[in-house]
Amino acid sequence: DAGITQSPRYKITETGRQVTLMCHQTWSHSYMFWYRQDLGHGLRLIYYSAAADITDKGEVPDGYVVSRSKTENFPLTLESATRSQTSVYFCASSDVGGGLRTEAFFGQGTRLTVV
Amino acid sequence: LAKTTQPISMDSYEGQEVNITCSHNNIATNDYITWYQQFPSQGPRFIIQGYKTKVTNEVASLFIPADRKSSTLSLPRVSLSDTAVYYCLVGSNDMRFGAGTRLTVKP
Repeated sequence: DAGITQSPRYKITETGRQVTLMCHQTWSHSYMFWYRQDLGHGLRLIYYSAAADITDKGEVPDGYVVSRSKTENFPLTLESATRSQTSVYFCASSDVGGGLRTEAFFGQGTRLTVV
Repeated sequence: LAKTTQPISMDSYEGQEVNITCSHNNIATNDYITWYQQFPSQGPRFIIQGYKTKVTNEVASLFIPADRKSSTLSLPRVSLSDTAVYYCLVGSNDMRFGAGTRLTVKP
């Protein structure tokens, strides 16, 4: 199915553990993004990627690692999870046309709880 | 990076037109203005995008004055289902969301 999918949808992990959130898009969009959204707040950009093997920090990158070896995948790893990283994580992708980054499409989100 | 400022919340009634203004005083020459809508427990959804003057699509209009230091999202004849958080974004590479405007439409 075409689209952008995140996995898992829900995850409970313990403090100190490494956890990886997956994001996969089928459109071959150039751009991909990771956000976290804490309860009752707006989205904060963690990392983004303009193309395969190109990643840049966003607003809140500390404690997170990303990679993008393939255009369609953009995994987000929490190297040593902390309770403050409990949040809903959204992945998004968008393309570029005429120098303009076009509309972004978001995944359904991953609800991560760190206990 | 251009920072955006929006009202935290707005209330309206069904059938009214709603205008949400976003300030972006430091907008760069190559920045576009984009608006997204988010319902609870869902990812944001694109509404409209523009560079200058006026853009209209089937759900909204976007008004951008000549100096581009602000923009206004206009939702015609809102319904209860338009209750959501609306975000204004400015930029060309990354996408940074602010706190957004929580719109509540009342019957």
